[in-house]
Amino acid sequence: EVQLVESGGGLVQPGRSLKLSCAASGFTFSNYYMAWVRQAPKKGLEWVATISTSGSRTYYPDSVKGRFTISRDNAKSSLYLQMNSLKSEDTATYYCARLGGFMDAWGQGASVTVSS
Amino acid sequence: DTVLTQSPALAVSLGQRVTISCRASKSVSTYMHWYQQKSGQQPKLLIYSASNLESGVPSRFSGSGSGTDFTLTIDPVEADDIANYYCQQSNELPYTFGAGTKLELK
Repeated sequence: EVQLVESGGGLVQPGRSLKLSCAASGFTFSNYYMAWVRQAPKKGLEWVATISTSGSRTYYPDSVKGRFTISRDNAKSSLYLQMNSLKSEDTATYYCARLGGFMDAWGQGASVTVSS
Repeated sequence: DTVLTQSPALAVSLGQRVTISCRASKSVSTYMHWYQQKSGQQPKLLIYSASNLESGVPSRFSGSGSGTDFTLTIDPVEADDIANYYCQQSNELPYTFGAGTKLELK
């Protein structure tokens, strides 16, 4: 069974940093692109980052480019999202997802609240 | 960026046929996908590449369209289908989602 389990969420002050992790199991992690998608409270879904199978290519929307960094450790079947210079508008539930153009597996989400 | 436009909400009766639309601001070919999200849960893939039913998804769900106009159909609607539905395009970066359609009971 494919499983994605996020961790590392919490309350953080504006301007500070936070790193999310996603542990993958049930599939060959190194064969898949992976992504982070977020959802602000009572809002829709927003794609945040994508990483290639080897980690050599990464992609971001303008809203997080330069502040967020996606990475992966294929030996550990783990995905990461380093979030720097956090803003109140980054408050959201962050999901990791397996990516094949479409997102066919999702974690349960990690809640991030940016507030002083 | 490719903007995806969905109707905010639809009111349906159980057993009815319902269509949820998604219009793209530019052609996305068939790189359109549909997700269901129930309250408090993560999204779930229903349809990929416009018309392909994801494994394990009931056959009452179907998708159609190409270019800029796409439709998700549920026939017949069951109580378990009350949820938010999102379209998403992967034709170009940044990947974008529609704002979602909330399916409600009449």
